[in-house]
Amino acid sequence: KQEVTQIPAALSVPEGENLVLNCSFTDSAIYNLQWFRQDPGKGLTSLLLIQSSQREQTSGRLNASLDKSSGRSTLYIAASQPGDSATYLCAVRQSGSARQLTFGSGTQLTVLP
Amino acid sequence: DAGVIQSPRHEVTEMGQEVTLRCKPISGHDYLFWYRQTMMRGLELLIYFNNNVPIDDSGMPEDRFSAKMPNASFSTLKIQPSEPRDSAVYFCASSEDSYTEAFFGQGTRLTVV
Repeated sequence: KQEVTQIPAALSVPEGENLVLNCSFTDSAIYNLQWFRQDPGKGLTSLLLIQSSQREQTSGRLNASLDKSSGRSTLYIAASQPGDSATYLCAVRQSGSARQLTFGSGTQLTVLP
Repeated sequence: DAGVIQSPRHEVTEMGQEVTLRCKPISGHDYLFWYRQTMMRGLELLIYFNNNVPIDDSGMPEDRFSAKMPNASFSTLKIQPSEPRDSAVYFCASSEDSYTEAFFGQGTRLTVV
């Protein structure tokens, strides 16, 4: 059974810092990995999708990498801003017959002004 | 497209009552997922459908929970009878196929008193 772990569970940084969020998964038989953002009391917003054949994806100040063989992904946020404060979740899409999306427990990020 | 649409946004009901949550996926999306989110357990997959067919319902906690997808544009999650421990935010998500992004609705916050 796929297990997804996110470390750290919470992170607090001053504005302007570059930061890295980590995601690891136990089963490398995946189609892709997706990073989401969730603001308090809101739904999940998709940030980046990396296919299993890709190494990284970039969107603005966000860069996500994927090392499928080692079961790891990182989300790099450059020049963090208070508006980046949210919970960040990673999810892996299983390949094979079971194609569900399995989530980590998230990293709660606070960017201090 | 308006995105994944869930209704109601909030539901407060008394223990023992039947609750029906509704979801309209994005048009053309073949996969539909139902998740439950709580502070203690994070995001849990309850059930997912492919082309209106339930594929994996192993996450449905008890026989009190049931889900249907009568057509490609509508799904329901029903809890009968409801219990206070069912209180959570229920999310619906859809994706076009196994390789593309999953998009989430805004969720239904269920409170059972």
